[in-house]
Amino acid sequence: RKEVEQDPGPFNVPEGATVAFNCTYSNSASQSFFWYRQDCRKEPKLLMSVYSSGNEDGRFTAQLNRASQYISLLIRDSKLSDSATYLCVVPRHSGGGADGLTFGKGTHLIIQP
Amino acid sequence: DTGVSQNPRHKITKRGQNVTFRCDPISEHNRLYWYRQTLGQGPEFLTYFQNEAQLEKSRLLSDRFSAERPKGSFSTLEIQRTEQGDSAMYLCASSSYGQGVHYEQYFGPGTRLTVT
Repeated sequence: RKEVEQDPGPFNVPEGATVAFNCTYSNSASQSFFWYRQDCRKEPKLLMSVYSSGNEDGRFTAQLNRASQYISLLIRDSKLSDSATYLCVVPRHSGGGADGLTFGKGTHLIIQP
Repeated sequence: DTGVSQNPRHKITKRGQNVTFRCDPISEHNRLYWYRQTLGQGPEFLTYFQNEAQLEKSRLLSDRFSAERPKGSFSTLEIQRTEQGDSAMYLCASSSYGQGVHYEQYFGPGTRLTVT
């Protein structure tokens, strides 16, 4: 299994719809998981951190399944401004990522009016 | 603005030239990271510092690359004898390492390097 694997998309979704991405990871010792959002030619911006089974922030929900080693990101009531690449991120080694992060290639989301 | 800053934002250089990038982390953050990102890929770890100490370098970081953080604040990344394959976005991030377990990293805007 690759360190972090994501479906690259693109996901073309109508405005207002719900969309979900999955990500699988190989390091079972990871304790922290992150979703970053990256707009074209910009830096990654931290969207959500996941430390236990899940986290919710407004329209965004991240869930963690340690047994199956996957993380998901759910976006409800999608907005045009949600169009971006979503990066699944895990620690390079064990623990919380203090010694650096491993990124997936990203999932490209396009919200259509 | 108290976020991570990077300079220059863009750099075009000819093959064989040396280039140096600077990163200023969030002021209270003691850990600083460098990543490289090419088109269609996620960022790849290069190296990181705890204060002024460089704790780890990726095998991606050839001998032509050197990074410093002399006073534990800003950091520089130098590439000697640049090659076309060095063309990428160079990203700096910082975090606060301490008693906790979970460490969130915040990124600067990056330096986009083009080697012609």
